[in-house]
Amino acid sequence: GEDVEQSLFLSVREGDSSVINCTYTDSSSTYLYWYKQEPGAGLQLLTYIFSNMDMKQDQRLTVLLNKKDKHLSLRIADTQTGDSAIYFCAERAGAGSYQLTFGKGTKLSVIP
Amino acid sequence: EADIYQTPRYLVIGTGKKITLECSQTMGHDKMYWYQQDPGMELHLIHYSYGVNSTEKGDLSSESTVSRIRTEHFPLTLESARPSHTSQYLCASSESKGARRAFFGQGTRLTVV
Repeated sequence: GEDVEQSLFLSVREGDSSVINCTYTDSSSTYLYWYKQEPGAGLQLLTYIFSNMDMKQDQRLTVLLNKKDKHLSLRIADTQTGDSAIYFCAERAGAGSYQLTFGKGTKLSVIP
Repeated sequence: EADIYQTPRYLVIGTGKKITLECSQTMGHDKMYWYQQDPGMELHLIHYSYGVNSTEKGDLSSESTVSRIRTEHFPLTLESARPSHTSQYLCASSESKGARRAFFGQGTRLTVV
């Protein structure tokens, strides 16, 4: 079955780069997504990457995909206190699938 | 961009009451979902719908029910609330083509006392 794994916690200093890692098991994944959840709120779609891409950059966010190792990472440059949140990795498996499989989330704490 | 709304945001209700959590989206999406989020923040799919008059149960067994009479509306109902139903409930809808991006509402925090 599909499984998505993330480390649970990450702590970084303000201004440093944050790297949140994710591994997945389903080799038929078509799209992979990163969501951000702030306390008491819903999930906000940050970015996504198609499985035939290696990298996608969007302002301070860089997504790297290693399809061979089934490894996805999200790099946040110049991390700010407003980036403190829980970050979820999610995969959509197969061309005909509409459902997402989520990791358990990584709580990012930014130290001023 | 994400025009999906959940009401109420917070609800405290007594055991045995019937409640309906509302979810509406203005994006014209056929696909809609309900997730339950546990205190450890893990997300569990409890219901989904791929269109009007279509509803399915998700991976996590739930005593709630859903209906999909209109494309934009996907309410979730608990006939008799119990303390074990205390949780965060998140509604989402997704595109049917391309990246099939999913967008979430702000959630309903339900507390059953």
